[in-house]
Amino acid sequence: GAVVSQHPSWVICKSGTSVKIECRSLDFQATTMFWYRQFPKQSLMLMATSNEGSKATYEQGVEKDKFLINHASLTLSTLTVTSAHPEDSSFYICSASFGDWGNSPLHFGNGTRLTVT
Amino acid sequence: RKEVEQDPGPFNVPEGATVAFNCTYSNSASQSFFWYRQDCRKEPKLLMSVYSSGNEDGRFTAQLNRASQYISLLIRDSKLSDSATYLCVVNGNTGFQKLVFGTGTRLLVSP
Repeated sequence: GAVVSQHPSWVICKSGTSVKIECRSLDFQATTMFWYRQFPKQSLMLMATSNEGSKATYEQGVEKDKFLINHASLTLSTLTVTSAHPEDSSFYICSASFGDWGNSPLHFGNGTRLTVT
Repeated sequence: RKEVEQDPGPFNVPEGATVAFNCTYSNSASQSFFWYRQDCRKEPKLLMSVYSSGNEDGRFTAQLNRASQYISLLIRDSKLSDSATYLCVVNGNTGFQKLVFGTGTRLLVSP
């Protein structure tokens, strides 16, 4: 069964609005979660590493003020896309690992397909 | 050079065929390797980890060649349900904490 739950699965919003995506680890505590973005026919690109109780670490080129990450508990991380624009339309996926996340496989949420009109 | 490179395909094979994909990686110090499967418009799902000695899981066999810095995935007796994109994943150049995904190899199995 799923070990990482993501919500919502899809969302359509108007340009300029904000969208919050939730990622939950089920039955395990995840001090670290990861947020990825995938455009059509491209690979998953890591956006940021979400750390419980501290600030997220953003990858180069990802605007931290636009993509707000909050990891308030050991089982929940949220990504808020602020002032969304059509170019933010993408597939956003979160992931978590049971253990040493450099050498352990990641388990992914079911993803959120965001469409900004 | 990209950290992880894969032939995008598609690989078109008939049911029952054997097909193999390779994936090259640039960081010789990489220690962790995985194959994921991604269906269209879905999240990636772990197919198998890749161990130094090679490993097999049913119809799937994964191999690691450190000297040439590539990993491979062999699928025997292909099923229609094997049609998907197969992602190669390696821990990346920036340290052992970052997994890097290849763009994937698309497999189409036809009747």
